Amino acid sequence: AQSVTQLGSHVSVSEGALVLLRCNYSSSVPPYLFWYVQYPNQGLQLLLKYTTGATLVKGINGFEAEFKKSETSFHLTKPSAHMSDAAEYFCAVTPPGLAGGGNKLTFGTGTQLKVEL
Amino acid sequence: NAGVTQTPKFRVLKTGQSMTLLCAQDMNHEYMYWYRQDPGMGLRLIHYSVGEGTTAKGEVPDGYNVSRLKKQNFLLGLESAAPSQTSVYFCASSYGVVMNTEAFFGQGTRLTVV
Repeated sequence: AQSVTQLGSHVSVSEGALVLLRCNYSSSVPPYLFWYVQYPNQGLQLLLKYTTGATLVKGINGFEAEFKKSETSFHLTKPSAHMSDAAEYFCAVTPPGLAGGGNKLTFGTGTQLKVEL
Repeated sequence: NAGVTQTPKFRVLKTGQSMTLLCAQDMNHEYMYWYRQDPGMGLRLIHYSVGEGTTAKGEVPDGYNVSRLKKQNFLLGLESAAPSQTSVYFCASSYGVVMNTEAFFGQGTRLTVV
């Protein structure tokens, strides 16, 4: 069984400051990893994903994440926060290949990011 | 290109009533999923389908049924609604191919059972 832990249900940063949202996973094999963003009253939008290859993944809106197998982590970062980044962020995993039945995602509980002036 | 469309967007049900949520995708995706989102619990998989005519149980299937009669549509049914089913429901779809595993989500259906 796989699981995802997101440390901190709420994170607050100042505009222009570094954003760091933490995600750790538990899985018998390294999974595929995803970060999704949800703006108020909207569906989820993919920020970035890691499947294979380069462990530093760049996504939309200036976000990036690094897969660290030794730490079972996939933390999301952005060098400089913008007011428009305020949203809820979800880390998710799925078993590699088709073992997971396509894209049966297991989600973390989410981190609400607040950006203050 | 509409992507994933969910109908309705909002609904209030009385305990014991039934309803069907409709999900439609226009991306020719093989895989479709229904999730529910509850505060502090993230999203949890209810049922999913790996192709037309197939369905399978997810993490929290009890109280729900699904059907995938057409490739582009995935229906979620509540036969006898309970207050515990008050939630926001999201449909998603994906190709399901190994290297192209991104799931696309609908806008959600906010269901309240009173």
